[in-house]
Amino acid sequence: DVKVTQSSRYLVKRTGEKVFLECVQDMDHENMFWYRQDPGLGLRLIYFSYDVKMKEKGDIPEGYSVSREKKERFSLILESASTNQTSMYLCASSLSGGRNEQYFGPGTRLTVT
Amino acid sequence: GQSLEQPSEVTAVEGAIVQINCTYQTSGFYGLSWYQQHDGGAPTFLSYNALDGLEETGRFSSFLSRSDSYGYLLLQELQMKDSASYFCAPTSGGYQKVTFGIGTKLQVIP
Repeated sequence: DVKVTQSSRYLVKRTGEKVFLECVQDMDHENMFWYRQDPGLGLRLIYFSYDVKMKEKGDIPEGYSVSREKKERFSLILESASTNQTSMYLCASSLSGGRNEQYFGPGTRLTVT
Repeated sequence: GQSLEQPSEVTAVEGAIVQINCTYQTSGFYGLSWYQQHDGGAPTFLSYNALDGLEETGRFSSFLSRSDSYGYLLLQELQMKDSASYFCAPTSGGYQKVTFGIGTKLQVIP
């Protein structure tokens, strides 16, 4: 069974703090993704990575950065958290090629106050 | 540009059949996936269509017409546990980017 884990289920941070969200997958997947999910806006892609140290901007990268130093780990960084980054953050991974089935982690509910 | 349309809400009766339609405008299109998400849960993969036609997996079927940029998810013999949000998600580009929309909230009623 593919397992994608995220470092925290719930997180509360203050405006201006630097925030790290960690994601780990155990199935040697090449691709990893960070999404945020907000009511009425669906799932929106922030960044994705198709290999170690490689990254591509998604649809809403502003205010975020990512790091992928090892194949199994993909980190999302909020350089200076703001209240409009309060959201559910979902990490996913997939194999390259084929049907590109994405496996999601349980999500991190981030609240920025 | 890119666009994705599916109904925001659908209600159907337990035991019935429901079809959720999806139209997309996606450059570099590869295929169309469907995901299910229960309230409070993470999305889970249901199906993927790369070629035109119908793919069947148990009670669920998914259809794609590449020429019409159109697909649908068909759920048969609806059960209460099928109440969830369903996302159509086109895959595109060299890095197989998947685009999720707002999704369709399906409510199954007795």
